[in-house]
Amino acid sequence: ETGVTQTPRHLVMGMTNKKSLKCEQHLGHNAMYWYKQSAKKPLELMFVYNFKEQTENNSVPSRFSPECPNSSHLFLHLHTLQPEDSALYLCASSQESYLADTQYFGPGTRLTVL
Amino acid sequence: SQQGEEDPQALSIQEGENATMNCSYKTSINNLQWYRQNSGRGLVHLILIRSNEREKHSGRLRVTLDTSKKSSSLLITASRAADTASYFCATDPSGGSYIPTFGRGTSLIVHP
Repeated sequence: ETGVTQTPRHLVMGMTNKKSLKCEQHLGHNAMYWYKQSAKKPLELMFVYNFKEQTENNSVPSRFSPECPNSSHLFLHLHTLQPEDSALYLCASSQESYLADTQYFGPGTRLTVL
Repeated sequence: SQQGEEDPQALSIQEGENATMNCSYKTSINNLQWYRQNSGRGLVHLILIRSNEREKHSGRLRVTLDTSKKSSSLLITASRAADTASYFCATDPSGGSYIPTFGRGTSLIVHP
């Protein structure tokens, strides 16, 4: 248990659906991250939030929309996804994004887009 | 751009043997971290080594860093079946973004 939870753990959706992934951290951290992990590829950073402000958007398509209402919660809203978006989506947190700290990861959401 | 690259991509050993994984990177770094990932789960931090350190130990783990060769190694001694996982290095490039950049990982299988 790392102190970072993600829901749901598994999600199957069609290309026309709208769904949201949720991440919550109980560590008192100020930075939160979304990563995408596809088979045989490096872990891809998607978004970074520091003190609720988005500081990184790694050229992510607009069909992925992040939301960070407070330092403990992070959402990833999904709409009109493609089959190639199927992957493990990992949330992480750290003390602050500019301190090169250890990141604490959630268990991930396994997303399948049909 | 991808910074760290682990080698080998896959490693299969018997319980009790040592496992060595390597990480090479391209630009100067502030620190390098090793993470472990069990199948389909999140990553777990193992150890952080700073650019001014050469070696660090944590239990059965030994990490070395050679900044002149831009490489690091992770040694797991007396491996156990429970060490079966993927291992990633994450580098924090100096002079730019502080966001750690991960490699593709080494998949380690320890046979009982």
